[in-house]
Amino acid sequence: DTGVSQNPRHKITKRGQNVTFRCDPISEHNRLYWYRQTLGQGPEFLTYFQNEAQLEKSRLLSDRFSAERPKGSFSTLEIQRTEQGDSAMYLCASSLATGSSSGNTIYFGEGSWLTVV
Amino acid sequence: QKEVEQDPGPLSVPEGAIVSLNCTYSNSAFQYFMWYRQYSRKGPELLMYTYSSGNKEDGRFTAQVDKSSKYISLFIRDSQPSDSATYLCASPWAGGTSYGKLTFGQGTILTVHP
Repeated sequence: DTGVSQNPRHKITKRGQNVTFRCDPISEHNRLYWYRQTLGQGPEFLTYFQNEAQLEKSRLLSDRFSAERPKGSFSTLEIQRTEQGDSAMYLCASSLATGSSSGNTIYFGEGSWLTVV
Repeated sequence: QKEVEQDPGPLSVPEGAIVSLNCTYSNSAFQYFMWYRQYSRKGPELLMYTYSSGNKEDGRFTAQVDKSSKYISLFIRDSQPSDSATYLCASPWAGGTSYGKLTFGQGTILTVHP
């Protein structure tokens, strides 16, 4: 399977604990995105990387959230001191930036579900 | 007001019906529009991508954009039970540095019953 891969798929954690999610994008893709989706809502943009550089962060991304893409390949999203409001599905997506807007199709992974109890 | 609004439904139709799914948007900077399909507990998958006003067809799916009224539609002909999913409209933020920064609607839940 050469799609976007995310793990773990499910995580249940106690409030106050730290969690980390990993995303492996499609291999030749240089852009990687993180989104968050809660029940009954569409995904919301969190942040994106071009290669290893984090180019944009949403104001939704509080100081407790940090994302990295150290070698421009896989990425991690860490949530520190989790709160119940962090319960959501965290989606990773990737694309190949071609300079043509019509070519920037992004492909989503299957998501990582977080439940904070 | 959200930049992309979508009626969440749910919408239930019999197999073979024509389905109409709709979104409105408020940001005039939006130039490109996408429809994603999302099955339960899965990631969204891209169905269709369109830029200009007018219609775009792909098999049983037709996407329609009316920029004058800021209205986006997706029509599904001969709907099948396998079309049962949440349908999300989205637009990339054309004013930024990445067309992957998508603004999504809330999603419409569709059920096609045999």
